[in-house]
Amino acid sequence: ETGVTQTPRHLVMGMTNKKSLKCEQHLGHNAMYWYKQSAKKPLELMFVYNFKEQTENNSVPSRFSPECPNSSHLFLHLHTLQPEDSALYLCASSQDKGSAGGEETQYFGPGTRLLVL
Amino acid sequence: TQLLEQSPQFLSIQEGENLTVYCNSSSVFSSLQWYRQEPGEGPVLLVTVVTGGEVKKLKRLTFQFGDARKDSSLHITAAQPGDTGLYLCAGAWGAQKLVFGQGTRLTINP
Repeated sequence: ETGVTQTPRHLVMGMTNKKSLKCEQHLGHNAMYWYKQSAKKPLELMFVYNFKEQTENNSVPSRFSPECPNSSHLFLHLHTLQPEDSALYLCASSQDKGSAGGEETQYFGPGTRLLVL
Repeated sequence: TQLLEQSPQFLSIQEGENLTVYCNSSSVFSSLQWYRQEPGEGPVLLVTVVTGGEVKKLKRLTFQFGDARKDSSLHITAAQPGDTGLYLCAGAWGAQKLVFGQGTRLTINP
């Protein structure tokens, strides 16, 4: 138990469906992340939020729409996905050390296994 | 674009044997992290190495950061079945930016 929870754990959706992934962190962190883990590719960073503001969008297609209503919650809204979007979607959180610098440790949730048919 | 090459991608050995996993890049990283991921779970941080040439030990696991901070290795002594899992290296190259290797899937047979 890392303090980061994700729901649902498994999701099957058609290409015309709209669904949302939810992530919640109980660690008091101020930064949250979405990653995609495919079978044949390294773990890829998708989005970064700091203090609810999006600070990184790693050229992610617009069919993925993140939302961060507060520092503890992060959503990933999905619509008109493609079969190649099937993957494990991981959420992570960390404590942004700002100007103090230093290494930040990212804590990952268990992921949502997504299958797009 | 920062890239991390991990090798081997798959490794299956007998209990009690030693092994080394490598993580190489042409880029310099401010730090390098090693994670372990089990089926149905997210990656869990094992160690962070920051200084070139740094060596850290975690029980039977030894982690080393290359002098030039471009590469790292993970050595496991007397592997146990409980060491089975996916081992990931990740290089930090900017604020909150990690680039991951493709992982080494390790199987320790009893």
